[in-house]
Amino acid sequence: DTAVSQTPKYLVTQMGNDKSIKCEQNLGHDTMYWYKQDSKKFLKIMFSYNNKELIINETVPNRFSPKSPDKAHLNLHINSLELGDSAVYFCASSQRLAGAVETQYFGPGTRLLVL
Amino acid sequence: AQSVSQHNHHVILSEAASLELGCNYSYGGTVNLFWYVQYPGQHLQLLLKYFSGDPLVKGIKGFEAEFIKSKFSFNLRKPSVQWSDTAEYFCAVIGSSNTGKLIFGQGTTLQVKP
Repeated sequence: DTAVSQTPKYLVTQMGNDKSIKCEQNLGHDTMYWYKQDSKKFLKIMFSYNNKELIINETVPNRFSPKSPDKAHLNLHINSLELGDSAVYFCASSQRLAGAVETQYFGPGTRLLVL
Repeated sequence: AQSVSQHNHHVILSEAASLELGCNYSYGGTVNLFWYVQYPGQHLQLLLKYFSGDPLVKGIKGFEAEFIKSKFSFNLRKPSVQWSDTAEYFCAVIGSSNTGKLIFGQGTTLQVKP
């Protein structure tokens, strides 16, 4: 069973469109994340949710809106897609531990190409 | 601000050669350190991590890393690489006061020639 899964795996779309990427984890974790990996393979965090509450919100355009319907899901909706949004988007999850740092587990990534 | 620097951007080795990938971080407090590997076309997998205790940590697939606090370093090593180790390697850090925000280095591409 895949621990952290993402759909779709590939997404090719036109500029200006709106698209969503879905993420689900079956690890029972309470925290989920979205990361963006650019063409140079640099990874940067975008958002994090803990128990459906937004706890990390990096400098990301308002066109990006995360939604967490429950602890096991964190979706990413992108409005008015731009060429620069082309990247690989990784979802991750972890379990928040009191007084300790958790390990994040990553999904397979969604390759978004904006034409 | 926290940052992570990986000095080797692209490393090419022959099979059985020894590997050391450099990682330095910038953070004023207690840190927790990770090495992740990304095989071609795949997701990130955890190789090893350091939270506390013995600064020499062993991970999967024969990898190890040593935390040297005085040098702000967490270098990854493997005594004998295999062709299957060809991948992208990422060093990452979380400060103990952070809310789970992993800061990644820019990655090192390792190419192992058979």
